[in-house]
Amino acid sequence: GEDVEQSLFLSVREGDSSVINCTYTDSSSTYLYWYKQEPGAGLQLLTYIFSNMDMKQDQRLTVLLNKKDKHLSLRIADTQTGDSAIYFCAEVSGGYNKLIFGAGTRLAVHP
Amino acid sequence: DGGITQSPKYLFRKEGQNVTLSCEQNLNHDAMYWYRQDPGQGLRLIYYSQIVNDFQKGDIAEGYSVSREKKESFPLTVTSAQKNPTAFYLCASSTDKRYEQYFGPGTRLTVT
Repeated sequence: GEDVEQSLFLSVREGDSSVINCTYTDSSSTYLYWYKQEPGAGLQLLTYIFSNMDMKQDQRLTVLLNKKDKHLSLRIADTQTGDSAIYFCAEVSGGYNKLIFGAGTRLAVHP
Repeated sequence: DGGITQSPKYLFRKEGQNVTLSCEQNLNHDAMYWYRQDPGQGLRLIYYSQIVNDFQKGDIAEGYSVSREKKESFPLTVTSAQKNPTAFYLCASSTDKRYEQYFGPGTRLTVT
């Protein structure tokens, strides 16, 4: 069945780059997404990538997509304390308008 | 200013009582969703609605009910049949363009 997997925790030093990884199973997914959730808040859409793209850059964020391995990554350059949050990747399921979310990666940024 | 609102932010209920969580959107989106999030876990889909007066069960619909009488509103009722209702509840909406979902701020429900 459909499944999205992420590592649960990542710790980085302020100013370094963070790389959050995700694997998905539905090879027919048209779009893949990255969301950010701060404590006690809803999810904020960070960026998306269309399945016919390999890479997308948006300011400090770089998304890489390896369709062959069904692997998605989010790189955050110059990571700041304000980037501390939980990051979810999601894929569009075979059903209309349904997203399948990973369990989330908690990013901790330390001085 | 368009967005999704959920109220209240915190809700406390006694066991055995039904409780209704509000979700309103002014984004003119057709589809709306309810998710449940437990500590340290991802999002689990409770119900979703693609159009007014129509909705489908998600992965964990037991003990929950919804209605979709207006495009803007998708209230969720947590019934006394829900065995473990304490959780963070998130509402979302989406358009059919790119299927991306936009989330409300969430309601934290505590049942004692």
